[in-house]
Amino acid sequence: NAGVMQNPRHLVRRRGQEARLRCSPMKGHSHVYWYRQLPEEGLKFMVYLQKENIIDESGMPKERFSAEFPKEGPSILRIQQVVRGDSAAYFCASSPGEGEPQHFGDGTRLSIL
Amino acid sequence: DQQVKQNSPSLSVQEGRISILNCDYTNSMFDYFLWYKKYPAEGPTFLISISSIKDKNEDGRFTVFLNKSAKHLSLHIVPSQPGDSAVYFCAASAGLTYKYIFGTGTRLKVLA
Repeated sequence: NAGVMQNPRHLVRRRGQEARLRCSPMKGHSHVYWYRQLPEEGLKFMVYLQKENIIDESGMPKERFSAEFPKEGPSILRIQQVVRGDSAAYFCASSPGEGEPQHFGDGTRLSIL
Repeated sequence: DQQVKQNSPSLSVQEGRISILNCDYTNSMFDYFLWYKKYPAEGPTFLISISSIKDKNEDGRFTVFLNKSAKHLSLHIVPSQPGDSAVYFCAASAGLTYKYIFGTGTRLKVLA
């Protein structure tokens, strides 16, 4: 499967714990995007990364959330000290270039107890 | 402030007929539009896109129409098939950039 791979598919955390979501882009894609979808809503842009660089994090909450896309390995979205409101589906997408259609992974469903 | 609106949360269509999904936008800076299909527990799948220099783009059974003056686009699926049953999201961006603004989706059900 050469698509965008996200893991885990489901993640359960207690309030105050940390959540780490991983995304491996499609082969040949160097642009990665993270989106969040709350129930009954559309996807909301969070952050755009290229290898080792955060290009735009304007959609990401200023506190507790961070993202990285290291030279080697997957992109990571990290949420510290999770709260109930962080429960959502988090989707990663990738593209070969900035103006080209983004291809999405199957998402990580985060549940906070 | 919802810049991309899909006012019909659901739509049912008979197999073989045409499905028309609608999308309205408010930001006149949007110049690139996309449609995605999403099955439960899966990620959105890219279907078709259109830039503002065109008013129609066709790919097989899928056609997207853009009416810039009305700030409206629509996706036509002809003929509709049961496998088309999914949630369809409209998305827009300004200047071919990466920041897609998504609508809330329309759930299409194609009845056999």
